Amino acid sequence: DTGVSQNPRHKITKRGQNVTFRCDPISEHNRLYWYRQTLGQGPEFLTYFQNEAQLEKSRLLSDRFSAERPKGSFSTLEIQRTEQGDSAMYLCASSPGGGNQPQHFGDGTRLSIL
Amino acid sequence: AQTVTQSQPEMSVQEAETVTLSCTYDTSESNYYLFWYKQPPSRQMILVIRQEAYKQQNATENRFSVNFQKAAKSFSLKISDSQLGDTAMYFCAFMRYGGSQGNLIFGKGTKLSVKP
Repeated sequence: DTGVSQNPRHKITKRGQNVTFRCDPISEHNRLYWYRQTLGQGPEFLTYFQNEAQLEKSRLLSDRFSAERPKGSFSTLEIQRTEQGDSAMYLCASSPGGGNQPQHFGDGTRLSIL
Repeated sequence: AQTVTQSQPEMSVQEAETVTLSCTYDTSESNYYLFWYKQPPSRQMILVIRQEAYKQQNATENRFSVNFQKAAKSFSLKISDSQLGDTAMYFCAFMRYGGSQGNLIFGKGTKLSVKP
């Protein structure tokens, strides 16, 4: 069990650029979650996958955001035409199932928009 | 919509003492799960303890225990024999039961400092 891995750890980009983050869940965890955490706040849910199917998306996930999990393993989160308000920590978590199965979190990717 | 409220932005406690962190939530659901997560400075968020709403018995994990009051929609965390390593942000979280449940709804967190 190597834990949830997220890359890159930090991303600095100019406003208007596209960025993509990657999350590698714990192997054999069929659920994968994306959250966004801004300074002084708790994480806010963005979306989650069960295997390759995207089952739920938050209203926070605007049209500029897209997430994929093509083979039910790793996932990518892309933000197009980044805005200042996108600056945040993006957290990925995985779990072996739903319900009270604990979600295991990665270290996150910190995005800074210049 | 469900909401989670943590009314204590910051708390401090002396090493070896006991501290209680408060959490209240709002939901119309009768079955759900509640969690406390810990996020040490610059480190991963980890699960501290969890409670199923249909269980009357309060959950305990070593030095960590909860006081779950379903009618009052209250879910406080008690840390006994506080240790320096307990210094962290603590988040209370809610998850719906069944259906399309999947996401955690977090409170804003309580920053706990354990002082030597």
